[in-house]
Amino acid sequence: EVQLVESGGGLVQPGGSLKLSCAASGFTFSGSAMHWVRQASGKGLEWVGRIRSKANSYATAYAASVKGRFTISRDDSKNTAYLQMNSLKTEDTAVYYCLVYFDYWGQGTLVTVSS
Amino acid sequence: SYELTQPPSVSVSPGQTARITCSGDALPKKYAYWYQQKSGQAPVLVIYEDSKRPSGIPERFSGSSSGTMATLTISGAQVEDEADYYCYSTDSSGNRYVFGTGTKVTVL
Repeated sequence: EVQLVESGGGLVQPGGSLKLSCAASGFTFSGSAMHWVRQASGKGLEWVGRIRSKANSYATAYAASVKGRFTISRDDSKNTAYLQMNSLKTEDTAVYYCLVYFDYWGQGTLVTVSS
Repeated sequence: SYELTQPPSVSVSPGQTARITCSGDALPKKYAYWYQQKSGQAPVLVIYEDSKRPSGIPERFSGSSSGTMATLTISGAQVEDEADYYCYSTDSSGNRYVFGTGTKVTVL
């Protein structure tokens, strides 16, 4: 059974940093691209970015709204993907999900950016 | 940046057919995926690669794509189909993904 478990969310001040984790199990993590998606309260889904597998050079891509501030990485030995978020803004407040194979989502972790 | 446009809302009576459209310039060459999201829950994939249905998804859900428009059809909509629906695809480069603006489906 595929499982994705996000962690690391919380309250952070504007301009601060936070690192989210997505622990994966039940599939071949090392061969899979991992995506991050977010959803602000009452708003739609927004794709944040993705990281491909080692075979695809761990290539990353980001939404324009986070490019230059967010960094996605992975540790295949730990079956975990990460989302490093820097220079956070109030508009980054959202539930953050990791996603694989288009079909499997984590339960989400809430990030609140507020003073 | 690339955008996928959906109608904000669709209303249908139980047993009737609901159609949700998704418009995007890259859709002639890129697959569309459709998600159902009920309040407080993570999204659920209901259609992938334009028209394929994952196991466990009722047959009343179908998808199609023609030109710059993809369509999700709910044939014989049920009250339990009330939810927000999002299309999902990539830009022409295939590098960046985007969700549609979302459609709230009401069945009453």
